[in-house]
Amino acid sequence: GQQLNQSPQSMFIQEGEDVSMNCTSSSIFNTWLWYKQDPGEGPVLLIALYKAGELTSNGRLTAQFGITRKDSFLNISASIPSDVGIYFCAGHRGAQKLVFGQGTRLTINP
Amino acid sequence: SQTIHQWPATLVQPVGSPLSLECTVEGTSNPNLYWYRQAAGRGLQLLFYSVGIGQISSEVPQNLSASRPQDRQFILSSKKLLLSDSGFYLCAWRKNPNTEAFFGQGTRLTVV
Repeated sequence: GQQLNQSPQSMFIQEGEDVSMNCTSSSIFNTWLWYKQDPGEGPVLLIALYKAGELTSNGRLTAQFGITRKDSFLNISASIPSDVGIYFCAGHRGAQKLVFGQGTRLTINP
Repeated sequence: SQTIHQWPATLVQPVGSPLSLECTVEGTSNPNLYWYRQAAGRGLQLLFYSVGIGQISSEVPQNLSASRPQDRQFILSSKKLLLSDSGFYLCAWRKNPNTEAFFGQGTRLTVV
């Protein structure tokens, strides 16, 4: 079945550093989504990408829909303490299932 | 605006007891509804989805069932809980299959 490979699994960075994470798939997707989940909470949508090659920003966050439609990345610039959490990529091909990556756990050292 | 409500937030249940988790969506009609389970530190596993009242699709064989008695209500149930049913359960909705999903706050279920 469809699987998303998300990397890295975890990141330990200093406050102020930039962050980059990505997802790859063996299948083509029509949509890529990026979510952030705080402990004990539901995931919150950060960025939605609908076109191959699309580059979208949301404040300090930037995400791109890979031109091959099999990958996407999320960058966070100048990290701050509230960026701590688990980031998930998700994608689908128009079917009912929304497939999720395994998540990237971000830890920021002050 | 649309909102999604999920309750209870936490639940501790003994093995063999029944389960009922409820999810409701406000501010939209005929949403696609989903139940996911998340094991500690892991990704989200799709359990059930529904495209309309009374229409339920199951993704994985398990001890759980889902029902959609009303357009904006989605219920996750079990007749007899197992220890392995412990986890974080998330309800989500989408306007249609091509749009982003929005999640509820989740229910932490501990089966003891």
